[in-house]
Amino acid sequence: GAVVSQHPSWVICKSGTSVKIECRSLDFQATTMFWYRQFPKQSLMLMATSNEGSKATYEQGVEKDKFLINHASLTLSTLTVTSAHPEDSSFYICSVKDWSSYNEQFFGPGTRLTVL
Amino acid sequence: SQQGEEDPQALSIQEGENATMNCSYKTSINNLQWYRQNSGRGLVHLILIRSNEREKHSGRLRVTLDTSKKSSSLLITASRAADTASYFCATAISYNTDKLIFGTGTRLQVFP
Repeated sequence: GAVVSQHPSWVICKSGTSVKIECRSLDFQATTMFWYRQFPKQSLMLMATSNEGSKATYEQGVEKDKFLINHASLTLSTLTVTSAHPEDSSFYICSVKDWSSYNEQFFGPGTRLTVL
Repeated sequence: SQQGEEDPQALSIQEGENATMNCSYKTSINNLQWYRQNSGRGLVHLILIRSNEREKHSGRLRVTLDTSKKSSSLLITASRAADTASYFCATAISYNTDKLIFGTGTRLQVFP
């Protein structure tokens, strides 16, 4: 299956700053990537679907101006948390869908964001 | 919310015992998948069962699907300490198989 990396694995930032998280598909050209958020001891919630070369599709309740997604190439999608606040502290996970494997998604290792 | 529910929320067993986790969902699905997550890590795909399938096996894993009850179960046989993790079911809905809706998860602890 597809190998997915994320960078950074963890980040601590001050309130009001912006943080960029990268998601890379290392061995697979992903036209579609997904961004999830997971609060401690909770499930994953889909934030947005990132489509290469076009605008991302955001889930209801997710602010597109706060969570900027750029999918500029078939192997890289970025999520920028703008003007981060403590309530944005969470575990952010990306995934890619491998069309050859039916509907299976392959997940990155996640990025732990802590906003002070 | 479309989110599925899993029970139990937490399960503690001894090595060698079987672990059963249940998942209920709300919408018509194309397929249902089970994932494992070790603490603070990404998710690992375990098994996928399609809506027209009733049972599937993979090694020590056995998954059942009852679309009439909108439920699924994951059975891990002869559990090992290394099976300690959180387990999530995820459904791909019929009209948009891109989107996965995750269940609330079961935290499994296997004691040696």
